[in-house]
Amino acid sequence: DGGITQSPKYLFRKEGQNVTLSCEQNLNHDAMYWYRQDPGQGLRLIYYSQIVNDFQKGDIAEGYSVSREKKESFPLTVTSAQKNPTAFYLCASSTNRLRSSEQYFGPGTRLTVT
Amino acid sequence: RKEVEQDPGPFNVPEGATVAFNCTYSNSASQSFFWYRQDCRKEPKLLMSVYSSGNEDGRFTAQLNRASQYISLLIRDSKLSDSATYLCVVSREGNKLVFGAGTILRVKS
Repeated sequence: DGGITQSPKYLFRKEGQNVTLSCEQNLNHDAMYWYRQDPGQGLRLIYYSQIVNDFQKGDIAEGYSVSREKKESFPLTVTSAQKNPTAFYLCASSTNRLRSSEQYFGPGTRLTVT
Repeated sequence: RKEVEQDPGPFNVPEGATVAFNCTYSNSASQSFFWYRQDCRKEPKLLMSVYSSGNEDGRFTAQLNRASQYISLLIRDSKLSDSATYLCVVSREGNKLVFGAGTILRVKS
């Protein structure tokens, strides 16, 4: 089955620790995205990548980092510099990196930092 | 002003009712438009794309008014399973999308 997987589903960390969220897709999509969702708010774009070994900051990149070493994988690291890391993190991918097209989402990771 | 604005609801409707959601967007250069559905504590899923000529998929009809920068979604014969949050989504420059905060629909028996 083709799709996007994210792991883990739930993640708990202490303040001051870095944590890496996994995102893998086998849809052969060029573009991948990371969003966070907070209660009552729309999804906000953290980082995106339109091709391997290249990525761009989104609207709220501060305190996050990414890598895109393989087409299938786009891990997100939430660093200790992120002021409010507790959120629902969603990874997405899309087929066409040259113009806007629909994005498909993984099941998400709920991160709680205390 | 938010890039995409939606009435948060909730819209509480009986089964079988027709319900309509509206959405406005601020970027006149937007080219692509979508409605996504999000169930509680789940990921958003694409419901339908919205074309300039309007489009229909079963009980769902989407309309786009570029002049007024307005998108609508009509659901006919509502089912209990339609209960969800509906996200209005608009394209930005490059290959990026902007998501509205969503409209909550509750269909009751």
